[in-house]
Amino acid sequence: DTGVSQNPRHKITKRGQNVTFRCDPISEHNRLYWYRQTLGQGPEFLTYFQNEAQLEKSRLLSDRFSAERPKGSFSTLEIQRTEQGDSAMYLCASSLVLEGSYGYTFGSGTRLTVV
Amino acid sequence: GESVGLHLPTLSVQEGDNSIINCAYSNSASDYFIWYKQESGKGPQFIIDIRSNMDKRQGQRVTVLLNKTVKHLSLQIAATQPGDSAVYFCASRAQAGTALIFGKGTTLSVSS
Repeated sequence: DTGVSQNPRHKITKRGQNVTFRCDPISEHNRLYWYRQTLGQGPEFLTYFQNEAQLEKSRLLSDRFSAERPKGSFSTLEIQRTEQGDSAMYLCASSLVLEGSYGYTFGSGTRLTVV
Repeated sequence: GESVGLHLPTLSVQEGDNSIINCAYSNSASDYFIWYKQESGKGPQFIIDIRSNMDKRQGQRVTVLLNKTVKHLSLQIAATQPGDSAVYFCASRAQAGTALIFGKGTTLSVSS
């Protein structure tokens, strides 16, 4: 296992289309996180899962966004009716909850461009 | 709500100098802090972390200092190298079971 894998790396879509991104975490990690990052800004938290349960959702996550982690392994993030403001890097991270260590391992992200 | 920010958006240093990157946080209940490095086109990479019951932690060439009195966090990089050029983010956790909240980042440029 070489780390967190995200696909696709780049996605260009027309406004109004739906897009779906996939994240494969490190296999033994039980937590999976989605963040969004725009140019010059730090990652903004969207949502996270512990196993298959979605435990926290940000107010940034509008009803056009939905995330799933059906079997507690990979996760998908879907954006419906994309808008130009959705253009960003979407980062996935995973972690193993251990006493004293709470750091995440990030993937390389999916860059979304809405035209 | 929780917010985390950095004092300076950019920092330029000469190779071999020591670098200090600062961060302020707003939530006095934050119990965990972490520094990440992000190179262009890549996801953030873990550098070092510290829990709120500590005030200093050292790694390889890096030291994190935590001052809870003034809610300030700093990252010190010794003998900065060109490979250290990147954007550095601090992040904190409001409480157990919540996600990390990131600051805006400081771009470190190292010239040789």
